[in-house]
Amino acid sequence: AQSVTQLDSHVSVSEGTPVLLRCNYSSSYSPSLFWYVQHPNKGLQLLLKYTSAATLVKGINGFEAEFKKSETSFHLTKPSAHMSDAAEYFCVVSVREYGNKLVFGAGTILRVKS
Amino acid sequence: ETGVTQSPTHLIKTRGQQVTLRCSSQSGHNTVSWYQQALGQGPQFIFQYYREEENGRGNFPPRFSGLQFPNYSSELNVNALELDDSALYLCASSPRTGYGEQFFGPGTRLTVL
Repeated sequence: AQSVTQLDSHVSVSEGTPVLLRCNYSSSYSPSLFWYVQHPNKGLQLLLKYTSAATLVKGINGFEAEFKKSETSFHLTKPSAHMSDAAEYFCVVSVREYGNKLVFGAGTILRVKS
Repeated sequence: ETGVTQSPTHLIKTRGQQVTLRCSSQSGHNTVSWYQQALGQGPQFIFQYYREEENGRGNFPPRFSGLQFPNYSSELNVNALELDDSALYLCASSPRTGYGEQFFGPGTRLTVL
């Protein structure tokens, strides 16, 4: 089975400062990992994905994440936060052996202060 | 290219009623998955449909059922609604089963009174 733990339920940063959202995963097989973002009353938008290629993955809007197998982590970072980044972020794992169903973490709400 | 669409946007039902939610997959996508997102939680996998057959199911009771049509659109049916069924229901499509990335619709907000 696979699971995801997002280590912070809420993160607050000032505009222009770095963002770090932490995610640890557990999987019996080689996983695919994703970060999705959800703005209030909106659906889910894919930020980036790791699917066994390069371990440092770049996504949209300046976000990136690094897959670290030894630490079973897939933390999301951005060098400089923007007000529009305020949203809820979900770390997600899937494995081919389980039909590629997506298993979501509980989410991290990012607040950006002006 | 049209993305994933869902209808209705919002729905209010009473306990014990039945509801049908609809989803049109993104053009060229033959696999549809449904997720339930309760307030303050991450989405939970309900089931997936591929070529009109159920292709995997999460930990949901049989009163949650679905269909996929030849044009790959899909329905989620919930019978005997309970208060805990109040949630955002998300539909996601992908180009084929086994393709990791899924593309989500805006969701249907179901309120059960």
